[in-house]
Amino acid sequence: ETGVTQSPTHLIKTRGQQVTLRCSSQSGHNTVSWYQQALGQGPQFIFQYYREEENGRGNFPPRFSGLQFPNYSSELNVNALELDDSALYLCASSLDRPTDTQYFGPGTRLTVL
Amino acid sequence: AQSVSQHNHHVILSEAASLELGCNYSYGGTVNLFWYVQYPGQHLQLLLKYFSGDPLVKGIKGFEAEFIKSKFSFNLRKPSVQWSDTAEYFCAVNANTNAGKSTFGDGTTLTVKP
Repeated sequence: ETGVTQSPTHLIKTRGQQVTLRCSSQSGHNTVSWYQQALGQGPQFIFQYYREEENGRGNFPPRFSGLQFPNYSSELNVNALELDDSALYLCASSLDRPTDTQYFGPGTRLTVL
Repeated sequence: AQSVSQHNHHVILSEAASLELGCNYSYGGTVNLFWYVQYPGQHLQLLLKYFSGDPLVKGIKGFEAEFIKSKFSFNLRKPSVQWSDTAEYFCAVNANTNAGKSTFGDGTTLTVKP
C-alpha cells in the first residue's frame, strides 16, 4: 500500500474540454510529481510541486497546469483537450531529497474523443 | 536533457533462467539511476536505485543492477527468475535531483513461463 491515491480512476472527455485530476500524497510527503504515460511508453514528467510552488516542468504546453494545496494534495488541470492527451496520468509523492523514494498512485485513465 | 533507452521491449524467459535487462542513458553530468517495476494490477514501485558509491546495487526480490559510467549503462539482473517476476520494468534517470524529476525509458515487459 503506497498511500498515494488518485481520482477519478477513469474519465472520458471530448476535444476542447477541460479536465481536473486529483492526487492525495502519502502522509508526510511535501513533493508531488505528475507524469503522463501514453500507451506503450514510459511515464513522461509533466511537472512537480514542492510546498505549493511549481518546482520544475517537463516539455508540456501551458495548457497543462497544476496546484498544490497546504495539505500537499495536488491537482492537474488540462485545458483545450486534444486527442493526444489520451493517456494514463500518474501522480507520485516524495520528499524533496535525491535519496528519497517516490511513491506512485494507481493513475487516472483519460480518454479524449 | 536526459534520455533513456531500454533495448528490449519484450522478454520471455522460463523459470530459473537468468535475466539481464539493458538500460542506457544519455546525460553528461552526475546522475541518479532507478529501476521501477509494475506488477499486473499494481502501482509502479521502486525496485532499486543508485546515487553514489558502490556501482553494484541490490534491490528487492533478488534484483541487482550495475552502474557502468563509461558505458552510460545501468543494466538490471537477476540470477534466477520466478513466475512472479512477470511484470513491466522501467529504467529512469535524473540529473542529481529529487526522484520526482525523472526521465523514464519505454519499459520492458518480462514474461516468465512456469
